[in-house]
Amino acid sequence: GESVGLHLPTLSVQEGDNSIINCAYSNSASDYFIWYKQESGKGPQFIIDIRSNMDKRQGQRVTVLLNKTVKHLSLQIAATQPGDSAVYFCAENPKTSYDKVIFGPGTSLSVIP
Amino acid sequence: EPEVTQTPSHQVTQMGQEVILRCVPISNHLYFYWYRQILGQKVEFLVSFYNNEISEKSEIFDDQFSVERPDGSNFTLKIRSTKLEDSAMYFCASVDNTYEQYFGPGTRLTVT
Repeated sequence: GESVGLHLPTLSVQEGDNSIINCAYSNSASDYFIWYKQESGKGPQFIIDIRSNMDKRQGQRVTVLLNKTVKHLSLQIAATQPGDSAVYFCAENPKTSYDKVIFGPGTSLSVIP
Repeated sequence: EPEVTQTPSHQVTQMGQEVILRCVPISNHLYFYWYRQILGQKVEFLVSFYNNEISEKSEIFDDQFSVERPDGSNFTLKIRSTKLEDSAMYFCASVDNTYEQYFGPGTRLTVT
């Protein structure tokens, strides 16, 4: 069956360091992946996405890497700031469509000032 | 920047009562969704809605749940007879033509 999961449930980093959050997925047919940030008391907020025909995509201070061979997704945050403290979810949209998004269990990122 | 809004922010109800959670999606979006998140757990899909009908629903979305778009702007989730296990954050989302889902701030439902 489909599943999206995370290797590390919590991550603490020093302010200014880079953060890497990892995610594994099991549905090799999935072709669209998204990272969401959820701050306390708020809804998930889109950070960055990547389609299966890409290996890497960069945004502002964030980079998503996709390794289809091992079905692994990662989110890199450069120069982590206190405002980056949140729970990060990887998610997949199996058909790059208007279908549901399947969320992973989440990683809590804590930035130490 | 346009955003999805939800009301109320917090709803407390007694077991067995009906609740209606309300959402106003972004105005030019055509696909709408409800998700829920039990405290400390991941976000779970409930239902998707397009062209005034349900396009997909999960196992969670049983006969006690219904959705409606009564007036072209609001999108509602009704739970007919709430159970304790319905306590969760409920998120509405709408999607643009890039498949990016925009989530609302959520309604915290507490069933006592």
